[in-house]
Amino acid sequence: QKEVEQNSGPLSVPEGAIASLNCTYSDRGSQSFFWYRQYSGKSPELIMSIYSNGDKEDGRFTAQLNKASQYVSLLIRDSQPSDSATYLCAVGNYGQNFVFGPGTRLSVLP
Amino acid sequence: DAGITQSPRHKVTETGTPVTLRCHQTENHRYMYWYRQDPGHGLRLIHYSYGVKDTDKGEVSDGYSVSRSKTEDFLLTLESATSSQTSVYFCAITPGTGLNTEAFFGQGTRLTVV
Repeated sequence: QKEVEQNSGPLSVPEGAIASLNCTYSDRGSQSFFWYRQYSGKSPELIMSIYSNGDKEDGRFTAQLNKASQYVSLLIRDSQPSDSATYLCAVGNYGQNFVFGPGTRLSVLP
Repeated sequence: DAGITQSPRHKVTETGTPVTLRCHQTENHRYMYWYRQDPGHGLRLIHYSYGVKDTDKGEVSDGYSVSRSKTEDFLLTLESATSSQTSVYFCAITPGTGLNTEAFFGQGTRLTVV
């Protein structure tokens, strides 16, 4: 059974701080890794994808992947109250079937 | 906007009745998916389709069936609804194939079985 684990939170950070969200996965054959943001009552929205070891930056977001440790993280710099949401980690392979983690709820305090 | 429309958006139904949820896409993507989302479980795959009349089971397929007679429509049927199927249901598409696939979701359907 392929598993993706995340701390459920809530993770609370003050406005302007760096929020660090973590995800571990069990399938060593995984090739693609995604972070989704989901506001309460809304659908998941893709914010980052990463496929190679290392860092990938997009604006205030940085995804980090370490396949040897089976670990992927998302850093949000200069956190804003509008970043308050649940962040879902998803892991995929050539078989097209993503496995999602349970999500981490982030609260950015003004 | 990935051009995905789910209907209905909300539904309340009684235990034992059949229910069909519809997912419609406007961009002829080959792959379509149905997920359910429950607190503490995240998104779990129910069924997916890789083409017209080509479907396969996901992680939590018991009690559900699907059909895809046209590229643009993917239907999810609860054959005899139970309270355990109260959930939020999301349809998704993946525009690409192979490694660089990113999923995009519809707005969701909130289903309550009473």
